[in-house]
Amino acid sequence: NAGVTQTPKFQVLKTGQSMTLQCAQDMNHEYMSWYRQDPGMGLRLIHYSVGAGITDQGEVPNGYNVSRSTTEDFPLRLLSAAPSQTSVYFCASSYLRGQGMIYGYTFGSGTRLTVV
Amino acid sequence: QQPVQSPQAVILREGEDAVINCSSSKALYSVHWYRQKHGEAPVFLMILLKGGEQKGHEKISASFNEKKQQSSLYLTASQLSYSGTYFCGTETKMIKAAGNKLTFGGGTRVLVKP
Repeated sequence: NAGVTQTPKFQVLKTGQSMTLQCAQDMNHEYMSWYRQDPGMGLRLIHYSVGAGITDQGEVPNGYNVSRSTTEDFPLRLLSAAPSQTSVYFCASSYLRGQGMIYGYTFGSGTRLTVV
Repeated sequence: QQPVQSPQAVILREGEDAVINCSSSKALYSVHWYRQKHGEAPVFLMILLKGGEQKGHEKISASFNEKKQQSSLYLTASQLSYSGTYFCGTETKMIKAAGNKLTFGGGTRVLVKP
């Protein structure tokens, strides 16, 4: 049982390049989300999804796109990388309780991204 | 808007107790608590729902005061393994959005010394 798998673990990009961070879960969780964590800070929500075909923005969505074509996968695309996007990115998934409440996250191991 | 955690950091001796507080200005559906060790992903500890219930995980427990939109995490008889950064996450009901959001506080660094 792999849980939440993120790839790659490390990435260096040049300013202006685009790339996709991959996230896959094998727990049949309805809810998936992306967070970024900057040094010494908390986690900020980028985008989230409550099921295939349904996504919405979090606190810091600018510069990022998401799509969810299957229950298992939730990739995060950086459109044109900027140094301000240097961060650690975490994907997380969860079951949904009644009334759409989030049960409790299982996090992936993270992707450490540096934009130069 | 992010919930506010206090204190920002705490240093304990093994066996001592500590309390971490989390407060929000929004009406909450639930409060989550997570612990993150250095260089690792956060790990889910517990969830508290409306109704003021308390939950426990080992000797770590928490409470949720729905009226005050506050939650507290209690580290009792701390062990070396309790060291890490603790985050509260507050879940708010989104009426016009696709689903609920979980917003995290800035974290509380806990160091337990022998």
